[in-house]
Order: sequence, then C-alpha cells, then structure tokens
Amino acid sequence: NAGVTQTPKFQVLKTGQSMTLQCAQDMNHNSMYWYRQDPGMGLRLIYYSASEGTTDKGEVPNGYNVSRLNKREFSLRLESAAPSQTSVYFCASGEQLDNEQFFGPGTRLTVL
Amino acid sequence: KNEVEQSPQNLTAQEGEFITINCSYSVGISALHWLQQHPGGGIVSLFMLSSGKKKHGRLIATINIQEKHSSLHITASHPRDSAVYICAVWGNQFYFGTGTSLTVIP
Repeated sequence: NAGVTQTPKFQVLKTGQSMTLQCAQDMNHNSMYWYRQDPGMGLRLIYYSASEGTTDKGEVPNGYNVSRLNKREFSLRLESAAPSQTSVYFCASGEQLDNEQFFGPGTRLTVL
Repeated sequence: KNEVEQSPQNLTAQEGEFITINCSYSVGISALHWLQQHPGGGIVSLFMLSSGKKKHGRLIATINIQEKHSSLHITASHPRDSAVYICAVWGNQFYFGTGTSLTVIP
C-alpha cells in the first residue's frame, strides 16, 4: 500500500519548456488535489478534483492544467514553464472533499 | 488577504514544556485541519475537526466556531515534535496558514 506517489522527485526546466507531474493514489479516494509550496507563502491550492471526471480551479490555477485520468491518477501539466513556477509541488488525496488528506512526498521543480 | 492566520510564526521550547499554536480564519468553514510537516518535507494530517476538541496522545486540538479560532496544544513536548505545524480550512476550497515552525530543545 504505497499511499500517494509522485513522479518525478526533482526536475529542472528551462523557461518555456513543458512537463507533466504525475500523481497516483491506491486508497480508492474520490478527491485529489495539487498544491504548490513557496517559502513564506504556505501551501496554495492549484487545482482539485472532487471525483473522477471533474476538476476545479483552486487559488492559483494560472499557468497550469490538470487531468483526472481515472480514479487513481491526477496529473499536473505546465505548458510553458516560467521562473515564477519554481516551487515544491504536492499532490494529496482524500475520501471526499474536506476530509482528511494524505500527501505525496512532493516534487521540487526549478525553472531557469 | 489571508484567509488563515497562524501564531506564532516561530516557537522554541524546552523539552517538557506545554505548547500552544493558534489559528484564526475569516471564511465560513465546514472543517478545520491541523497538519505536520517534518524537517524532510513530508506532510501528515494530525486532526480534522468541526467542533469541540480532539486528542491524540500528547496532542490536543480545539475549535471555537463562533470565534473562528482553533488551537493546537502539545503536552510534555519532545525534540521529535520539532516540525512545522500548519492550519488549513475548507471553505469553498482549502486555505492554509503559513505554518508555525516549532523547535524543541533537549
């Protein structure tokens, strides 16, 4: 039972490059979330998915897209990376919106 | 505008001390969460509460819905409690405080 897994753990991009962060959970949770964490800012919600087939914007969605591929997987895509997107990205899941969340280990992304 | 405010931002305590971390929020909520972020970066959920008080071991969380305030207490603190403690609320989405960095000195 791996919980929430994220790949990759580290990534360095050049400005303008694209990439997809992958997240998977094996707890049969309905809800999944993507956050970014910046020094002094705390965690901020980028996008969330209440259930398979639905996605909604969070506090800071600009520059990102998401796909809820199936119940297990929720990916985050940066189409044209910018230095302002340098951050640590966390994926999380929960049984329902507003329930206890289980977090992945994070992806440290640097955009040069 | 910060929907969730925590205090203090930083806290240093001697082993064995009683610790209190405070959280105030400005939005209507259905539940409040306390999270712990380890020095290595991993985040775990400690409590989810919508009223009253919950206790897990040496940790106690309380919430006052009318005053829009919650506290996290740690009794008999230990160096392994050193971490960042984060308050989060669900209004129409999740909002997070910036965290309280706790260091417990032996």
